[in-house]
Amino acid sequence: GAVVSQHPSRVICKSGTSVKIECRSLDFQATTMFWYRQFPKQSLMLMATSNEGSKATYEQGVEKDKFLINHASLTLSTLTVTSAHPEDSSFYICSASKRENEKLFFGSGTQLSVL
Amino acid sequence: AQSVTQPDIHITVSEGASLELRCNYSYGATPYLFWYVQSPGQGLQLLLKYFSGDTLVQGIKGFEAEFKRSQSSFNLRKPSVHWSDAAEYFCAVGAPGGYNKLIFGAGTRLAVHP
Repeated sequence: GAVVSQHPSRVICKSGTSVKIECRSLDFQATTMFWYRQFPKQSLMLMATSNEGSKATYEQGVEKDKFLINHASLTLSTLTVTSAHPEDSSFYICSASKRENEKLFFGSGTQLSVL
Repeated sequence: AQSVTQPDIHITVSEGASLELRCNYSYGATPYLFWYVQSPGQGLQLLLKYFSGDTLVQGIKGFEAEFKRSQSSFNLRKPSVHWSDAAEYFCAVGAPGGYNKLIFGAGTRLAVHP
């Protein structure tokens, strides 16, 4: 099956720094990628939809300037948490599909801890 | 607003026992429904999905789920659980705009006793 690689799997950073998370589709071209955030014992919450070559579409309540998404190629989308603070600590997961409304493939997630 | 409720946060069963994980949804139209499984350190894997047609859906790894519109439920079942089934299970509903925009439940963590 299709593989989505997410890196890093875990990152610890100081408050005020920026952190970049990568999501790569390894064996297929992903026109659409999604970014989710998961708090402990809670649902995965959709943050944004990323389409190659265009601006990401953010869900209501998600700060665009805080969570920068770049989908520069058909195999790579990045999420940058800018000026991270402890409340940004969470589990971030990406997913990708070959085409809109097709099966999703998920990355293994990134645990972000901001000190 | 669309939502998904998984009432059981944690379930423990013995190996070989039957399993049912509950999922209730709130959705204004005919929903697209999914069950995913997440093992530690791995991404979410699709177990099965329901779009239309037969309300009893067969999935991978011996799982099945039944869509009951009258109860707004989509419960996941397996007749005999294996130790390797221990994982976190997520029910999801396709949001407006395409079934890719999924709304997830909080998940049910399954532990399997030998």
